Amino acid sequence: DTEVTQTPKHLVMGMTNKKSLKCEQHMGHRAMYWYKQKAKKPPELMFVYSYEKLSINESVPSRFSPECPNSSLLNLHLHALQPEDSALYLCASSLPYGPQHFGDGTRLSIL
Amino acid sequence: SQQGEEDPQALSIQEGENATMNCSYKTSINNLQWYRQNSGRGLVHLILIRSNEREKHSGRLRVTLDTSKKSSSLLITASRAADTASYFCATDAETSGSRLTFGEGTQLTVNP
Repeated sequence: DTEVTQTPKHLVMGMTNKKSLKCEQHMGHRAMYWYKQKAKKPPELMFVYSYEKLSINESVPSRFSPECPNSSLLNLHLHALQPEDSALYLCASSLPYGPQHFGDGTRLSIL
Repeated sequence: SQQGEEDPQALSIQEGENATMNCSYKTSINNLQWYRQNSGRGLVHLILIRSNEREKHSGRLRVTLDTSKKSSSLLITASRAADTASYFCATDAETSGSRLTFGEGTQLTVNP
């Protein structure tokens, strides 16, 4: 079992739908991350939150909207996604300059 | 952009053998980390080596770091079928803020 919990595990959505991915950790980590991972590729950083403030946005399209309601929760709101957005979305958390702890991800398929 | 390169891309060995994976990077780093990813799962942190360290051990894992050559290696001794996974190196560059930059990964298969 991982200490970072992501829901849902699988999500299928149409290009006009709005959905959200959720991530939760209770390790007291103040840095949280969203990554996108395509098959047989390394994770690609999307967003970093530090102390609940967005500190890094890796030029991600606006159809992805992150939110950090509190120090334990991280959301990724999805709207009008494209087929190429189908991927595994991973959440991670860490202490400053420490190793990152990953959830098992949400497998997203866009129809 | 990914600054890490790993080789080999794929490695197939028998149980009990040792597995060595290599990672090269391009910029100055604070630390280098190795992660494992089992199929369909998230990444699991294995070991972190700081830029002023040359070697680190954790159980059956041995990591070396050569900052002059900007390279690292991960050695898994006495491999087991359960070690079958993808292995990624990741660098925390001095100018990266909170970014980790991942290498392309090595797919390790350990045959029973």
